[in-house]
Amino acid sequence: AQSVTQLDSQVPVFEEAPVELRCNYSSSVSVYLFWYVQYPNQGLQLLLKYLSGSTLVKGINGFEAEFNKSQTSFHLRKPSVHISDTAEYFCAVSEGGTYKYIFGTGTRLKVLA
Amino acid sequence: EAGVVQSPRYKIIEKKQPVAFWCNPISGHNTLYWYLQNLGQGPELLIRYENEEAVDDSQLPKDRFSAERLKGVDSTLKIQPAELGDSAVYLCASSFSQGWGNEQFFGPGTRLTVL
Repeated sequence: AQSVTQLDSQVPVFEEAPVELRCNYSSSVSVYLFWYVQYPNQGLQLLLKYLSGSTLVKGINGFEAEFNKSQTSFHLRKPSVHISDTAEYFCAVSEGGTYKYIFGTGTRLKVLA
Repeated sequence: EAGVVQSPRYKIIEKKQPVAFWCNPISGHNTLYWYLQNLGQGPELLIRYENEEAVDDSQLPKDRFSAERLKGVDSTLKIQPAELGDSAVYLCASSFSQGWGNEQFFGPGTRLTVL
């Protein structure tokens, strides 16, 4: 069965510093991968997705992620964070391109001034 | 374009009371999802609709939860009776179709507190 692991529950980082949020998944078949962001009291918004092709995916707000099949990872990165990036970030996997998303437990990114 | 609309945004009830949540998906989206998000957790799928048909309700606790999507547009999720453990955020999402990585658009959620 597929599962998603986000090892870091909280990541504090200073403004303008780079950040990496880690995501690992387990699946025996091909997967689609997603990163969503959730601002306080709001729903989830898609940052980026990997379906196929280039393993480096660029998303909104300057975020990017790299799909690594051998390490079953899909880590999210941003070279320089802003205060406004403070939010909860969720990694999700869809096995075999189905509708069913399995979400990780989330990583709370806190950007410090 | 309006996003997914949910109401109410917040609801506080006493245990054993009934409660209902309403969702209006993005216009034209035929697939609608209800998710449960517990504190500190990611969303978990409760039920998925294709038009007016519930095609996956395997995770819906049917003894107390029910849902409907009349006319294949708006949807209502009901809990009767509510229990303390039902306190959570209930998210609604919609998409054009059910497969191939189509993006699911989420509403702001309804935060339920059961006292």
